Order: sequence, then structure tokens, then C-alpha cells
Amino acid sequence: GAGVSQSPSNKVTEKGKDVELRCDPISGHTALYWYRQRLGQGLEFLIYFQGNSAPDKSGLPSDRFSAERTGESVSTLTIQRTQQEDSAVYLCASSPRKGGQGNEQFFGPGTRLTVL
Amino acid sequence: KQEVTQIPAALSVPEGENLVLNCSFTDSAIYNLQWFRQDPGKGLTSLLLIQSSQREQTSGRLNASLDKSSGRSTLYIAASQPGDSATYLCAVRPGAGGTSYGKLTFGQGTILTVHP
Repeated sequence: GAGVSQSPSNKVTEKGKDVELRCDPISGHTALYWYRQRLGQGLEFLIYFQGNSAPDKSGLPSDRFSAERTGESVSTLTIQRTQQEDSAVYLCASSPRKGGQGNEQFFGPGTRLTVL
Repeated sequence: KQEVTQIPAALSVPEGENLVLNCSFTDSAIYNLQWFRQDPGKGLTSLLLIQSSQREQTSGRLNASLDKSSGRSTLYIAASQPGDSATYLCAVRPGAGGTSYGKLTFGQGTILTVHP
């Protein structure tokens, strides 16, 4: 079956521009997570969706970052006025309903963002 | 705050060796622990997930153990092959309750190179 997909796979942008990153989770997965991996660093949690609501946005680094999810499916992560420190691989993961055995997270291939 | 540490940071071994990767975490109140591999330019592939009530999980040449009380997990790879070369990441999911919502805390990873 189809896994988590993300687009674009690579994005190069100029400082100050806005970017949108897309995540298509596994069909039927209600939980969706965004993480960021900067060069030489571990993965950092950004935001969590349960359905279309985001009960945990604690990892978003600034108000330039926002995310939404529609139809309990696709999610977009938007970064406004990009800065060079935003350069990273942005990874999306989805998971079946909380609780029980179905709590493994399945990751997409990531979007590599480079801000010049 | 949960912190996850992986040792060693890098490991280079000849093909055929058995090896052990270590992961430690500071807060033993975890729901589960997951081992991933990450290949360059690709996302994370889940290898093994150990629930907090379990002691170990096995998949093929991989065996992961969990000692929750001491905050440790090991990933054992038997008869290593060049195709095992990748970055191996350990991640813990917080225990039930509170507002953790299942977000994972990752270690920095162990870069494994298996040479022919």
C-alpha cells in the first residue's frame, strides 16, 4: 500500500520568500506529525494533528511557521519570510488512532529545504 | 525534559561482524521505543518498535532490547552486511497522560558503515 508522501522533495528558495510543504499521510491515519532535521542535528518535533485540529504546536520555532490539515488527510506546513536557519529536512509522519497497538509512526521521505 | 543519547556516534566495521548500538533516555516514563534507519536523501524506515511492557523485539538479523527502569535500549545487528550502512536512530514516545500526544524524542543517531 501507499506510504506517506511529501512534496516537493527538494525546495530551494531565497531568503524572505514564503514556502509551502505538503504531506499526504497513509489513508485512514488520523494522527499526523511534522518534524525538522537540521544538518548535523537530531529530529525536532514541530506540530501534531489529531484529525484536523492541532492540539500540540509547541515545537513551531516562531510565528513564521504555521500548518493546517484538511479532510483528516493532507497537511501543509507554511514558512513565511524564510531565513537561512530554516534550511533543513522537513519530515512528516502519520500514525493510526492513539492507543492500542497502532501507535507506530510511519515517516515520509522528507522535503529538503534550502534557503539562500 | 526527555533526552535521548546514542552511543557511539559513528561505527565502522568489516562485513560479517555482530554489533551493538546503544540508546539511553533520561525519563523512564515512556510508552514505547522505536528504532529507525535513515538512508541519505531518504526518510526514516521503522525497524523495530518495543512497547514499554516488552523486553525485546526481533526482526530477521535485528534484535532490540529495552530496559525501561534503567533507561536503556540496545539494537543488535547480527552478521552485518554493507547494505546495513545507514544512520540508526532511536526514538522514545512519552507515557500516556499529559499532553505529549505521542510526539517522539529522537537521539542524534549512530552512523554505521559496514565495509566489504
